[in-house]
Amino acid sequence: AQSVTQLGSHVSVSEGALVLLRCNYSSSVPPYLFWYVQYPNQGLQLLLKYTTGATLVKGINGFEAEFKKSETSFHLTKPSAHMSDAAEYFCAVSVSRAAGNKLTFGGGTRVLVKP
Amino acid sequence: EAGVTQFPSHSVIEKGQTVTLRCDPISGHDNLYWYRRVMGKEIKFLLHFVKESKQDESGMPNNRFLAERTGGTYSTLKVQPAELEDSGVYFCASSPAGANTIYFGEGSWLTVV
Repeated sequence: AQSVTQLGSHVSVSEGALVLLRCNYSSSVPPYLFWYVQYPNQGLQLLLKYTTGATLVKGINGFEAEFKKSETSFHLTKPSAHMSDAAEYFCAVSVSRAAGNKLTFGGGTRVLVKP
Repeated sequence: EAGVTQFPSHSVIEKGQTVTLRCDPISGHDNLYWYRRVMGKEIKFLLHFVKESKQDESGMPNNRFLAERTGGTYSTLKVQPAELEDSGVYFCASSPAGANTIYFGEGSWLTVV
């Protein structure tokens, strides 16, 4: 079975500062890794994903994440926070290769951006 | 192209009543999933359809929950009778066959009072 741990349920950053959201996973097989974002009163939107290949993955809205197998991590970063980044972010892992993908989510990290 | 749509967006019902949530996946997507997030907890997998067949229903909490997918198109999730602990957000998602990305709807917010 796989699991995901997101360190910090709430993160507060100043506008223009670095955003760093931590995600560690456990999986017995090579994982697929995802970051989703939920803006207020909206659904889950895919930010980026890692499946195979390059370990540094770029996503939408200036976010990127790096898969580090040795550390079982997939931390999400953005160099400069914007007010519109205020949302809840979810890290997820999938290991199913057959009929579809079953996601296991972390607990989520709510980001507050201060002006 | 329309995304995953869910109805109702919000529902408030009394304990013991029945609620039916509907999900329309993206057209052509064989895979349909239900997830939910109860207050303060993680988003948890409920079940997975491939076309009209239940592929995996290991996350269904108990027999008060019944999911169907008529003709491999839309899906319904019925909760009968609803309990207070069923309150939360129910997400539907879909993906094409063989794809590794699933697309979520906006969720159905259920409050049981």
